[in-house]
Amino acid sequence: AQSVTQLDSQVPVFEEAPVELRCNYSSSVSVYLFWYVQYPNQGLQLLLKYLSGSTLVKGINGFEAEFNKSQTSFHLRKPSVHISDTAEYFCAVSDLAGGYNKLIFGAGTRLAVHP
Amino acid sequence: SQTIHQWPATLVQPVGSPLSLECTVEGTSNPNLYWYRQAAGRGLQLLFYSVGIGQISSEVPQNLSASRPQDRQFILSSKKLLLSDSGFYLCAWTGTRNTIYFGEGSWLTVV
Repeated sequence: AQSVTQLDSQVPVFEEAPVELRCNYSSSVSVYLFWYVQYPNQGLQLLLKYLSGSTLVKGINGFEAEFNKSQTSFHLRKPSVHISDTAEYFCAVSDLAGGYNKLIFGAGTRLAVHP
Repeated sequence: SQTIHQWPATLVQPVGSPLSLECTVEGTSNPNLYWYRQAAGRGLQLLFYSVGIGQISSEVPQNLSASRPQDRQFILSSKKLLLSDSGFYLCAWTGTRNTIYFGEGSWLTVV
């Protein structure tokens, strides 16, 4: 079965600094990877996804992630964060073994952007 | 465009009372539908998924049940709530290219 590990439960950072949120997944023949963001008291919003093709994927709000098959990683990055980026970020992998698309989530990383 | 709606957004229920959370998807047909739960301080756990009307699969044994009476309607229910049922419940559906989209969520507090 697939699994996802988000290596940092909390990441504090100052405004306008770069940030990287780390995500590793268990290996599989083929994999679909996602990053979602959750603002307080809201549902999950899709940030970006990797399905195939270019290993560098760009998402909304200036975020990007790089798929690294050899390291089974899918780290999320942003070159300059804003206060409004404060939220919880979830990495997820699709598990298609059961014949349907089942998302397996990491435990989440809380990004706190300070002025 | 496709949209997903959940209601109610917030509810407080006493232990032993019934529960009904509803989810409706618009702008698509025959979607795969999901119920996830996010307990306080924990990640997201898949509770149920459905590939069609009347077709429900449960991921974990629990006090909850799900039903899909119509193509784009997914309902989460309980006959008697437990304190441990408290959490944030999210309905979701599969769009194009295996991408899952989530509703706004429903906060349930069992007291």
